[in-house]
Amino acid sequence: NAGVTQTPKFRILKIGQSMTLQCAQDMNHNYMYWYRQDPGMGLKLIYYSVGAGITDKGEVPNGYNVSRSTTEDFPLRLELAAPSQTSVYFCASSYSPGGTQFFGPGTRLTVL
Amino acid sequence: QQQVKQSPQSLIVQKGGISIINCAYENTAFDYFPWYQQFPGKGPALLIAIRPDVSEKKEGRFTISFNKSAKQFSLHIMDSQPGDSATYFCAASMRETSGSRLTFGEGTQLTVNP
Repeated sequence: NAGVTQTPKFRILKIGQSMTLQCAQDMNHNYMYWYRQDPGMGLKLIYYSVGAGITDKGEVPNGYNVSRSTTEDFPLRLELAAPSQTSVYFCASSYSPGGTQFFGPGTRLTVL
Repeated sequence: QQQVKQSPQSLIVQKGGISIINCAYENTAFDYFPWYQQFPGKGPALLIAIRPDVSEKKEGRFTISFNKSAKQFSLHIMDSQPGDSATYFCAASMRETSGSRLTFGEGTQLTVNP
């Protein structure tokens, strides 16, 4: 049982490039989330999903896109990367809507 | 989403001392109050959680105190150790309610000096 896994661990992008951050969970959780965490700051919700095929915006969705074709996977797409997207990105999942969230190890993204 | 306000933003404690982090919430419908611990370079992980039907929950050196009438809850770390140095987040939600999700506080960076 790997829990929540994220790839890659680190990535450097040039301004204007695109990339997909991968997230997978093997706990059969319906609920999945993407957060960004800036240095010394809290967690900001980007997007979340309540099940396969259903996604919704969080607090800071601009510049990002998500899809949820399976229960296990919840990739986050960055289009036209900007320096403001330099951050650490965490994926999480939960069994119930407001229940305990299990976090992945994070992806540290730098946009230069 | 309703706010959860956390204080202090940072805290420095001597080894063996008591660390206290406070949170306040607005939504009286919240019924689940977890605390998360995050070490540098890692994702947050559940530390301890409480439901509003009890006023206190203790697990080892970690205790949650819950005051329903004041809409406040706090984390107490007894005999604080340098290994407790981490960022702590409180959170709140309506656990089983469709459309609900955890609302996190802004985090407290705890440093325990040896």
